[in-house]
Amino acid sequence: SQQGEEDPQALSIQEGENATMNCSYKTSINNLQWYRQNSGRGLVHLILIRSNEREKHSGRLRVTLDTSKKSSSLLITASRAADTASYFCATNSGGYQKVTFGTGTKLQVIP
Amino acid sequence: SAVISQKPSRDICQRGTSLTIQCQVDSQVTMMFWYRQQPGQSLTLIATANQGSEATYESGFVIDKFPISRPNLTFSTLTVSNMSPEDSSIYLCSVGGAVNEQFFGPGTRLTVL
Repeated sequence: SQQGEEDPQALSIQEGENATMNCSYKTSINNLQWYRQNSGRGLVHLILIRSNEREKHSGRLRVTLDTSKKSSSLLITASRAADTASYFCATNSGGYQKVTFGTGTKLQVIP
Repeated sequence: SAVISQKPSRDICQRGTSLTIQCQVDSQVTMMFWYRQQPGQSLTLIATANQGSEATYESGFVIDKFPISRPNLTFSTLTVSNMSPEDSSIYLCSVGGAVNEQFFGPGTRLTVL
């Protein structure tokens, strides 16, 4: 079963705009991760934020985490057509490597 | 990071048959994970495969339907048995990294007619 939900389910923006996706989860976590999936292929790990962190940056990606609200957001700045993909959050709650995925956001960046 | 390959990349099968999917990792890992992604959906964990022991299945998945082998630290197979059209999905294997991030194979796209 999914740990949580993402919104929006789908997002369409113009190239150059920023894209924000939100993830909510249900249980306490060790860390939260974001992944990208292009056209039903394998997932690519983008960024990981630990439960004691509030914000993290990686290139054009900015992730925030609010453990009191059990939510996270992924911001992609200055979007490009190549950013078109599905984005999933995933939470790690236990002492080993298992993660649970959210429902995903489908992003379309229009050139 | 780990590099993972899967075979086959896609297949079209008849109902009632079985398909075995192979997953190869370029380094030795303790745990390997098998996921199912139904059309337009997110990923659902089928089972965790540890070398030298029985796989651990998630709720809703059983060994008779999805037998898993893990003969060594770099290889695993997932068999989808007695397939029906509802088994049409992408099947992905993954391994965990140093901080519990997941590295995924490219997936196997299965269509059952």
